[in-house]
Amino acid sequence: ETGVTQTPRHLVMGMTNKKSLKCEQHLGHNAMYWYKQSAKKPLELMFVYNFKEQTENNSVPSRFSPECPNSSHLFLHLHTLQPEDSALYLCASSLGTIGELFFGEGSRLTVL
Amino acid sequence: GENVEQHPSTLSVQEGDSAVIKCTYSDSASNYFPWYKQELGKGPQLIIDIRSNVGEKKDQRIAVTLNKTAKHFSLHITETQPEDSAVYFCAASPISNFGNEKLTFGTGTRLTIIP
Repeated sequence: ETGVTQTPRHLVMGMTNKKSLKCEQHLGHNAMYWYKQSAKKPLELMFVYNFKEQTENNSVPSRFSPECPNSSHLFLHLHTLQPEDSALYLCASSLGTIGELFFGEGSRLTVL
Repeated sequence: GENVEQHPSTLSVQEGDSAVIKCTYSDSASNYFPWYKQELGKGPQLIIDIRSNVGEKKDQRIAVTLNKTAKHFSLHITETQPEDSAVYFCAASPISNFGNEKLTFGTGTRLTIIP
């Protein structure tokens, strides 16, 4: 148990659906991240929030929309996704934006 | 930007033997090098890290070495055990106010320990 909880663990959606991924951390951290993990590729940083403010957006398509209502919760809203968006989406948190990242177990997304 | 290359992509070793995973990086500004272990169905977890002011760091059966001149760093696992089977990721970043935002990961090494 890392203190970072992601739901749902598995999600299957069609290209016209709208769904959301949720992440919650119980570690008192102030920075939260979304990463995309695809087979044979490095972990790709998508978004960073520090004290609820977005500080990084790594040229992520607008069909991915993050939301950070407070330092403990992070959402990733999904709409009109493509099959190539199928991947494991990992949420992480850290105390500040330097040092150890604490990852959740991920949400496995399949886009049909 | 930073580019991190990791080798090998898969590695099988007999239980009790040692395993070595190597990474190279391109940006001389990088000075923080963590290693993460990802077990099946879990998220990555930090196992050891090293900063550029030291050349080696050890924690029980795990050690990391860093050669800043050659821009490469390695993970060494001795006396391997079945629970060491996992995917290992190296990473590099400059230590700054935005260190994690600049953290670049390697492509991972799947380590299998053969009983």
